[in-house]
Amino acid sequence: TQLLEQSPQFLSIQEGENLTVYCNSSSVFSSLQWYRQEPGEGPVLLVTVVTGGEVKKLKRLTFQFGDARKDSSLHITAAQPGDTGLYLCAGVEAAGNKLTFGGGTRVLVKP
Amino acid sequence: DSGVTQTPKHLITATGQRVTLRCSPRSGDLSVYWYQQSLDQGLQFLIQYYNGEERAKGNILERFSAQQFPDLHSELNLSSLELGDSALYFCASSFYGQGSVYGYTFGSGTRLTVV
Repeated sequence: TQLLEQSPQFLSIQEGENLTVYCNSSSVFSSLQWYRQEPGEGPVLLVTVVTGGEVKKLKRLTFQFGDARKDSSLHITAAQPGDTGLYLCAGVEAAGNKLTFGGGTRVLVKP
Repeated sequence: DSGVTQTPKHLITATGQRVTLRCSPRSGDLSVYWYQQSLDQGLQFLIQYYNGEERAKGNILERFSAQQFPDLHSELNLSSLELGDSALYFCASSFYGQGSVYGYTFGSGTRLTVV
């Protein structure tokens, strides 16, 4: 079983501060995805990273895939209250295409 | 609207009972994945169907079963319910890019409460 560990589990910051969430595994994934989930809703895909060392930017969010494709990070610059939510990383296994999710990082951005 | 439809949105039932959760994937998507999300365990993969056939199985209890019908909608059946089965149940369909699964689209879930 491939496991994904996210850290920290919870992050509370003030509006305008930066934050980084980490996603680590001892296994290699063919790709890694980041989702954001609001209370009472399903996770919504933010980004997919496929190539080792890949960096993708989505406005104030920067996603990085480790060179060995075992870890990833999500960095938010100048966080806003609208960034509040549960951030989940998920790795795609080569067989069956199922996603394995990390435990999530709950982010709270205070105004 | 993600295009993945789940019903019902909420379900309250007693221990020992049986319920059926329904999912319609996005139009044209052949895969359906079922996940369980509880407070202490995060999102756990239960089962995957592809074009009517079971493709992969996760930590799905023997009391749980699923199927995918010819019109591609799927049902998750939970029986002999226990208090610990209370959770959010999500289904998702996958879309492809760069030669592999590029992302999942999730429904808004069914919140099951067993009392």
